[in-house]
Order: sequence, then structure tokens, then C-alpha cells
Amino acid sequence: DGGITQSPKYLFRKEGQNVTLSCEQNLNHDAMYWYRQDPGQGLRLIYYSQIVNDFQKGDIAEGYSVSREKKESFPLTVTSAQKNPTAFYLCASTSTWTAGSSNQPQHFGDGTRLSIL
Amino acid sequence: KQEVTQIPAALSVPEGENLVLNCSFTDSAIYNLQWFRQDPGKGLTSLLLIQSSQREQTSGRLNASLDKSSGRSTLYIAASQPGDSATYLCAVRSGGATNKLIFGTGTLLAVQP
Repeated sequence: DGGITQSPKYLFRKEGQNVTLSCEQNLNHDAMYWYRQDPGQGLRLIYYSQIVNDFQKGDIAEGYSVSREKKESFPLTVTSAQKNPTAFYLCASTSTWTAGSSNQPQHFGDGTRLSIL
Repeated sequence: KQEVTQIPAALSVPEGENLVLNCSFTDSAIYNLQWFRQDPGKGLTSLLLIQSSQREQTSGRLNASLDKSSGRSTLYIAASQPGDSATYLCAVRSGGATNKLIFGTGTLLAVQP
């Protein structure tokens, strides 16, 4: 079945440590996204990528980094500069926006819950 | 700046009741509006997507409407069931070609058996 796989499901970070969250999709989607979800605040966009080897900052990119070396993969690194990393992280993907396909829904993975040790 | 609001934040209803969830947005220049369901500790499942040119979309017991001019959307759930218990989020796609979504904070629905 096609879908988005996020791993691990739970992750713990020690102070000063960088951690990487994995996101893989087999939907042949061009665009991929990372969101952060905090209680009572909805989802906020961290980074997004529309094509391989290209990505843009979202609304809350500070303390995070990404790469997009393969179409299927969009890993997110939570760096030590992110002072409040405890949250639920969601990865999503969709077909690239083009005329005629501008209304494609976003598909989501099951998320990674990150906590501080 | 687009802002999306969902009211109420939480709702509890008895099984079998019809219910309406509300979503409002401040900028009417949207491409589409999407309703999602989120179960505890899980990702989001897309329920319905309404294009800006449409007034409503239906899927089974779900019906979503869109009034762009007033900046409002409603999700109608008919004959609610305990399995409908979840958080429901709406999101709008505004401007640009990046398919960025702006999310509301969600409505937590509990359907009591």
C-alpha cells in the first residue's frame, strides 16, 4: 500500500544532542512537508520541499534542518539550538502544484513524538 | 495573514445525534479547504477537500460546506457514532504555488454510546 512512513514513533533527546526524524513516502509525490503540533496550537509548518535538492523554511524553521537528496525521503533534524523540542512531529506529502492539480490533498504519516530526557 | 479558527474546541454528544463543526478563516482568497480527522497519537486522515469554486462536498455521513465570501466552512456529521470520536481539523490553502496549509486548532469530538 502507498503511504508515508515516519520513524521512530517515539524519540528522546538529551540536552545538547541533535536528533533526526525519518520520513519516507512511496506515493511518488514531489512535495513534502514537516509540521510541528503542540497542544492547543494546531499544526505549524517547519520546512517544505517541492523538488529534490530544494527546500524552503516554513513558519518556525529556527532550530531545525532538513535535506532532500531523494524524492522519497525528507528527514528532519532537530538541533540543540531548538530549546523547546518537545512536540508531535508530522510529515506530509502531496503532488506538485500545477494548473489542474492545484487541489490535491496532503497525505500524512503517523507522526513522531519527541521528548526531552 | 490568514488565520483559521475552529469552534467549539470540544464537543460531546450522544450517539445518533447529527452535529455541526465550524471553521472560519480571515482571508477569503483561498484555493481550497480541507477537513481532517486525527485520532489520539496518530497522524491526520483527509476527510473532504472543497475547492474554492465548490459549495459543498459529501462523503458518506459527512458533508462539508464552504462559503468563501463569509470565510466559513461547516462539517456536518449525520447519525454520529462512537467511532466518530476524534479531533477534527480544518485547513485552508491560501495563495502561492507551495500548497501550504494553514490549520485551525481543531475540535475534539466525543460521541457517547
